Amino acid sequence: AQTVTQSQPEMSVQEAETVTLSCTYDTSESDYYLFWYKQPPSRQMILVIRQEAYKQQNATENRFSVNFQKAAKSFSLKISDSQLGDAAMYFCASNSGYALNFGKGTSLLVTP
Amino acid sequence: KAGVTQTPRYLIKTRGQQVTLSCSPISGHRSVSWYQQTPGQGLQFLFEYFSETQRNKGNFPGRFSGRQFSNSRSEMNVSTLELGDSALYLCASSLEGTSRGETQYFGPGTRLLVL
Repeated sequence: AQTVTQSQPEMSVQEAETVTLSCTYDTSESDYYLFWYKQPPSRQMILVIRQEAYKQQNATENRFSVNFQKAAKSFSLKISDSQLGDAAMYFCASNSGYALNFGKGTSLLVTP
Repeated sequence: KAGVTQTPRYLIKTRGQQVTLSCSPISGHRSVSWYQQTPGQGLQFLFEYFSETQRNKGNFPGRFSGRQFSNSRSEMNVSTLELGDSALYLCASSLEGTSRGETQYFGPGTRLLVL
């Protein structure tokens, strides 16, 4: 079974600071993809960043970047220059066939 | 382009009833997936449809079913509702499915409360 583990239920960061959210996964797929989704209080899931496992280069999207360690099956999300609007639940996910497997999520609090 | 839409947004039902939820994908998207989100179990995959065919199904009882129409709109049905079915039901669409890493775009969800 595919599993995605987020070991930090809650994290807090001050505005303008940097925070890293952890994620580990277990998959038997040889070709897979990893995602970070954000779910604000409105509950609308929004894609933050996507990583192709066969690419060694870490994905980046503006203030968001990942540290992808394939051998360790680790996929952490770094948010730089945190903003109040970054406060949300963050979910790590991997694909398995036509489904996404999600971690339990990390609640990120951003303080002024 | 309009995003994924789900109707209704909120629903209250009683145990034993059945419910039908609707999802309209982004125009041009042929893959529609459904997820159940609860505080205890988190986000769990229900099923995925592509061109009116179910391609993948999660580990849910047969009370949960779905279908997809020729215009890619999808419905999911839950029969004989139980209290544990109270959840946020999320629909997501993509062009051809996430097996090749396509991004899934999520709707706002339908919040179901079973009393």
